[in-house]
Amino acid sequence: DTGVSQDPRHKITKRGQNVTFRCDPISEHNRLYWYRQTLGQGPEFLTYFQNEAQLEKSRLLSDRFSAERPKGSFSTLEIQRTEQGDSAMYLCASSLVGVGTQYFGPGTRLTVL
Amino acid sequence: DQQVKQNSPSLSVQEGRISILNCDYTNSMFDYFLWYKKYPAEGPTFLISISSIKDKNEDGRFTVFLNKSAKHLSLHIVPSQPGDSAVYFCAASARGSQGNLIFGKGTKLSVKP
Repeated sequence: DTGVSQDPRHKITKRGQNVTFRCDPISEHNRLYWYRQTLGQGPEFLTYFQNEAQLEKSRLLSDRFSAERPKGSFSTLEIQRTEQGDSAMYLCASSLVGVGTQYFGPGTRLTVL
Repeated sequence: DQQVKQNSPSLSVQEGRISILNCDYTNSMFDYFLWYKKYPAEGPTFLISISSIKDKNEDGRFTVFLNKSAKHLSLHIVPSQPGDSAVYFCAASARGSQGNLIFGKGTKLSVKP
């Protein structure tokens, strides 16, 4: 399978705990995006990387969120001190520079109790 | 302020007939538009896209029409099949942006046998 993969698919945590999600993009794709989707809404952009550089962050990305892509391949998204409002589907997508189409992974469903 | 609007939350169509999903946008800087299909608990799947230099793009049963003067695009599915039942998202990216997509809230299509 050469598509975008995400791990874990589901995460249940208690408020105040830290969580980390992983995304493996399509191997030749140099751009990687993180989005968040809540019920009844479309995905909302959080941040994106070109290779290992984080080039843009949405104002939705509070200080409790941090993302990395250390070697320009996989990426991690960490949420510290989770809150109930962080409950959502976290989606990762990848693309090639200069190509507008992004391909999405299956998402990580986060539930904060 | 929603830049991409899908005003119909749901649409029901008989198998074999045409499904028409609509999308309006407000940002004149958008120059690339995409449609994604999403099943529950899965990530969005890319369907078809169109650049602002075109007014129509076809791929099998799927055709996207773009009316720049009206800031409107539509997705036609002919003939509709029960397997097309899903939520359809319209998305756009802006000229000069880093490619992050702005999504509508989605339209749930039900195709009845």
